[in-house]
Amino acid sequence: DSGVTQTPKHLITATGQRVTLRCSPRSGDLSVYWYQQSLDQGLQFLIHYYNGEERAKGNILERFSAQQFPDLHSELNLSSLELGDSALYFCASSATAASYNEQFFGPGTRLTVL
Amino acid sequence: AQTVTQSQPEMSVQEAETVTLSCTYDTSENNYYLFWYKQPPSRQMILVIRQEAYKQQNATENRFSVNFQKAAKSFSLKISDSQLGDTAMYFCASGGSNYQLIWGAGTKLIIKP
Repeated sequence: DSGVTQTPKHLITATGQRVTLRCSPRSGDLSVYWYQQSLDQGLQFLIHYYNGEERAKGNILERFSAQQFPDLHSELNLSSLELGDSALYFCASSATAASYNEQFFGPGTRLTVL
Repeated sequence: AQTVTQSQPEMSVQEAETVTLSCTYDTSENNYYLFWYKQPPSRQMILVIRQEAYKQQNATENRFSVNFQKAAKSFSLKISDSQLGDTAMYFCASGGSNYQLIWGAGTKLIIKP
């Protein structure tokens, strides 16, 4: 158990809908990273928050947004969903903002868009 | 641009054999770190090993060791006495003072009984 929690574990929804994925980092970690992993593909970095502030943005679509709250949990909002958004979404946390720290991954949320 | 390249999409070996996964990288950082993460069929991402670039000694963790060639920008992972539980996707990554890890595309490793 990495100490990172993600809810829900599975999500099935229809095209055009909006969903929110939630992540709670390990106790004491200030950074949260979001990744997208399509079937049998590598990790696509989406966005990084550190202590409530956005620190880096990857190939995140405009339909996607994220935020980190004062209690350090983070939410990833996906709107106007398309079939291609079906993927495993990971959240990871680390102690500081620098990428030389180990990232601890949650179990992921599997999103299926029908 | 910083890049990480894993040139072997898939490998398979017999149980108990030794296998080496390749990774090359390019970074503008002076002080950086390199990582190998494992993703078994459960899809949980787990850190296997981490190497600090300024350390000449290669990192080892039990049956896992790295061959870090700084000048060649190469960071390979050696798994000795491979076990069925080593079957997984293995991702190489590079990090430093910037705010995101740079990931390779992954190598799918299959250990055959």
